[in-house]
Amino acid sequence: QSVLTQPPSVSGAPGQRVTISCTGSSSNIGAGYDVHWYQQLPGTAPKLLIYGNSNRPSGVPDRFSGSKSGTSASLAISGLQAEDEADYYCQSYDSSLSGFVFGTGAKVTVL
Amino acid sequence: QLQLQESGPGLVKPSETLSLTCTVSGGSMRSSSYYWGWIRQPPGKGLEWIGSIYYSGSTYYNPSLKSRVTISVDTSKNQFSLELSSVTAADAAVYYCARLALGHWCDPWGQGTLVTVSS
Repeated sequence: QSVLTQPPSVSGAPGQRVTISCTGSSSNIGAGYDVHWYQQLPGTAPKLLIYGNSNRPSGVPDRFSGSKSGTSASLAISGLQAEDEADYYCQSYDSSLSGFVFGTGAKVTVL
Repeated sequence: QLQLQESGPGLVKPSETLSLTCTVSGGSMRSSSYYWGWIRQPPGKGLEWIGSIYYSGSTYYNPSLKSRVTISVDTSKNQFSLELSSVTAADAAVYYCARLALGHWCDPWGQGTLVTVSS
């Protein structure tokens, strides 16, 4: 029931920069609601990575950055490291659902 | 440091009711700055918001689950609970509880609990 679309997979070599897109609609991202990003390592709970489109919680490396424009958002990982291999989810609020919506998830592979 | 922990049966029979509790430690649920929610993740699939509740008891449910979901709160025990009725195999998932900020992000999350639906 995901209403935010992400690419299923993204890959890059160590040290490279990768980006993950998150496409929504006029009832969520396009309506002005913020986008948040989570990192889910295998077998663990999601962890907040970016909140309010571009803010990093304490402890999150500045290699991770977020942006939003129109009905889409992006997460960028620069200086890719092996420990960044994980699933990444975007999330926003949807006015038509009056609730949270998550992205389809993107798996990042470090080559 | 705020921590959340899910608890409840790991196996539920089809057509029965799934019941889980989330215990909050390291802080009070009585805050106007946050609310509380349940999110689930079927094996190998993505995340789905189930519903949310304020400490006052106001609730918000995913329309696709609304007819089967009840979320309640007991601030005296610093707990909130989830009930999902008439479960089927499609309800098998890892169920997470989380604190929700007014800006609509989830942090922190509980470690999650796997619920299997089988007779």
